[in-house]
Amino acid sequence: GAVVSQHPSRVICKSGTSVKIECRSLDFQATTMFWYRQFPKQSLMLMATSNEGSKATYEQGVEKDKFLINHASLTLSTLTVTSAHPEDSSFYICSARDGRDQETQYFGPGTRLLVL
Amino acid sequence: GQNIDQPTEMTATEGAIVQINCTYQTSGFNGLFWYQQHAGEAPTFLSYNVLDGLEEKGRFSSFLSRSKGYSYLLLKELQMKDSASYLCAVMDSNYQLIWGAGTKLIIKP
Repeated sequence: GAVVSQHPSRVICKSGTSVKIECRSLDFQATTMFWYRQFPKQSLMLMATSNEGSKATYEQGVEKDKFLINHASLTLSTLTVTSAHPEDSSFYICSARDGRDQETQYFGPGTRLLVL
Repeated sequence: GQNIDQPTEMTATEGAIVQINCTYQTSGFNGLFWYQQHAGEAPTFLSYNVLDGLEEKGRFSSFLSRSKGYSYLLLKELQMKDSASYLCAVMDSNYQLIWGAGTKLIIKP
C-alpha cells in the first residue's frame, strides 16, 4: 500500500526557535496533503490543506504566519512551526491523497514536537 | 516490517451490528486507536485501547488482545450516519503511529 513518511519523528527545541517537519509520499504523487494536530485521546484537528503548487488553505483559528506550509512538489510538503512556544508541543500528523484516488488518505507516522 | 490489516470494505444493514477487525504486527505496542472518518472530514477519535479487553462507549465498543495482535470495533444499532471509513492505528515502541488502510463501511436501509 501507499506509504507516507515524516521527518523527524521527534524533535525537542527551545522556545523561540523554528522547526520544520517534512511529509513525503514515497510511492505515489500526492496532489493534496493535510496537516493535523493530535491531542491525547482526541480527534485529529485539521490545521490546513495544501495543494501542490498553490497556497495552503488554513482552518479557522490556525495562524498561517505561525504554521508555514509549503507543498513544493507532488511528493513533499513541509510544515514549519515558527517561533515555537511550549503550547505548540504536540503530535503533528500529515496525510496525503493520491491524485488518482480522491477518496483515500494515507497517514504518516507523526512527529512529536516538544518545545522547552 | 510493521503492518496493520483491516478489511477494505464492509456492508451492513441499518439497525444491525457490525464488527470491523484489525490485526497488527508492530515493533512494540503503546496502544491502539480507532478513528471514524467521513468523506471530506478529519478523522474523529472513537477509542483507545492499551490493555486487553472490551471497552464500551455507547453504541461503539472496542476490543483488544495484545497476545494475538488483534482488535475489533463493534458497532451496534447501526444508523445511516455510521457510513464512513474506520481507521485502525497502532502506536509502536517509538510512539509512532502505524495506520491501517481503513475500512469503508456502507450502511443500507
